[in-house]
Amino acid sequence: AQSVTQLDSQVPVFEEAPVELRCNYSSSVSVYLFWYVQYPNQGLQLLLKYLSGSTLVKGINGFEAEFNKSQTSFHLRKPSVHISDTAEYFCAVSSNDMRFGAGTRLTVKP
Amino acid sequence: DTGVSQDPRHKITKRGQNVTFRCDPISEHNRLYWYRQTLGQGPEFLTYFQNEAQLEKSRLLSDRFSAERPKGSFSTLEIQRTEQGDSAMYLCASSYISDRGHEQYFGPGTRLTVT
Repeated sequence: AQSVTQLDSQVPVFEEAPVELRCNYSSSVSVYLFWYVQYPNQGLQLLLKYLSGSTLVKGINGFEAEFNKSQTSFHLRKPSVHISDTAEYFCAVSSNDMRFGAGTRLTVKP
Repeated sequence: DTGVSQDPRHKITKRGQNVTFRCDPISEHNRLYWYRQTLGQGPEFLTYFQNEAQLEKSRLLSDRFSAERPKGSFSTLEIQRTEQGDSAMYLCASSYISDRGHEQYFGPGTRLTVT
């Protein structure tokens, strides 16, 4: 069985500040890891993914994430956020099907 | 190809009625997934197909729910005798099975409101 825990349900930050959204996973098999973003009333859009290889993964919109196998984590980071980054962010783990965390609502304030 | 599409985008129905949603995946994708998302939660896996075969169903998928993908292309999700607890966003996703992961592409969702 696999599962995902997103440690923060809400993260408020000021514009241009750095942000980290935390994600821990558990799985008994090798997995692939994903971060998706969901804007209001829209479907999910892939930000980035880890399949194998380099543990630092770069995605769209300036986001990056680091896979840490020993800590079973896949935290999402951005060095400087914009108002437009305000959205819900979901971490997901996949082997045969995909399991999502409960989401982190990122609110960027001016 | 414009991506995954879902129809309708919104559906309001009265308790006890049946509803059917449609999902059209990206054309070359052979896997299709259904999820349910309630407010403040992440998507919950319901079921998935590989081509026309339904390979896995979640315990969340009660007997009132049925999904089909008859020709391995579009899929339908039917809910019979709807209940207020069925109110949610129903998301469809598709992917191409490969050894390099199962990246899923999501549609915009169908928002169901049961009154």
